[in-house]
Amino acid sequence: KQEVTQIPAALSVPEGENLVLNCSFTDSAIYNLQWFRQDPGKGLTSLLLIQSSQREQTSGRLNASLDKSSGRSTLYIAASQPGDSATYLCAVRSAALIFGKGTTLSVSS
Amino acid sequence: GAVVSQHPSRVICKSGTSVKIECRSLDFQATTMFWYRQFPKQSLMLMATSNEGSKATYEQGVEKDKFLINHASLTLSTLTVTSAHPEDSSFYICSAREGPSGELFFGEGSRLTVL
Repeated sequence: KQEVTQIPAALSVPEGENLVLNCSFTDSAIYNLQWFRQDPGKGLTSLLLIQSSQREQTSGRLNASLDKSSGRSTLYIAASQPGDSATYLCAVRSAALIFGKGTTLSVSS
Repeated sequence: GAVVSQHPSRVICKSGTSVKIECRSLDFQATTMFWYRQFPKQSLMLMATSNEGSKATYEQGVEKDKFLINHASLTLSTLTVTSAHPEDSSFYICSAREGPSGELFFGEGSRLTVL
């Protein structure tokens, strides 16, 4: 059974710092991995989608990597801003889409 | 990116009543739609998968007679919570994708409070 773990559960950083969020999964037989952002009481915003054949994807200040063999993905956020404060979820698609519990990021100005 | 619209965003109902939540894909045809629920500080949990024109597939532990899902068209799926109870109070989110390997897009979610 696929399990997705996100570390850390919460993270507080000052504005301008670069940071890394981690996601690990137990079953490497996946179709893709997706990173989402969730603001309090809101739905999900898709940030990056990495297909199983890909190693990384970039969008603006965000870079996500995927190491399928080790069951790991990282989301790198460069030059963090207060507007980046949110919960970041990774989700792995194998038979179903399984979510981690998320990392709640707080960026102070 | 593609837009998925969910309505209503908030609903309060009395115990024993039924509530319908709509999920629409606005600019693409969603062959598959998914319904999730999220309790506070918890992960999103998949409730069911629906393919247009066929019966929904429910995850283990989800009562199909209580959570009725209809996917009658390629742009609309509905979730009806029947005979709602306070423990059904949760955040319900739908998602949709265009093809079997397409990116998933999510609605804004619907917060249900059952009094």
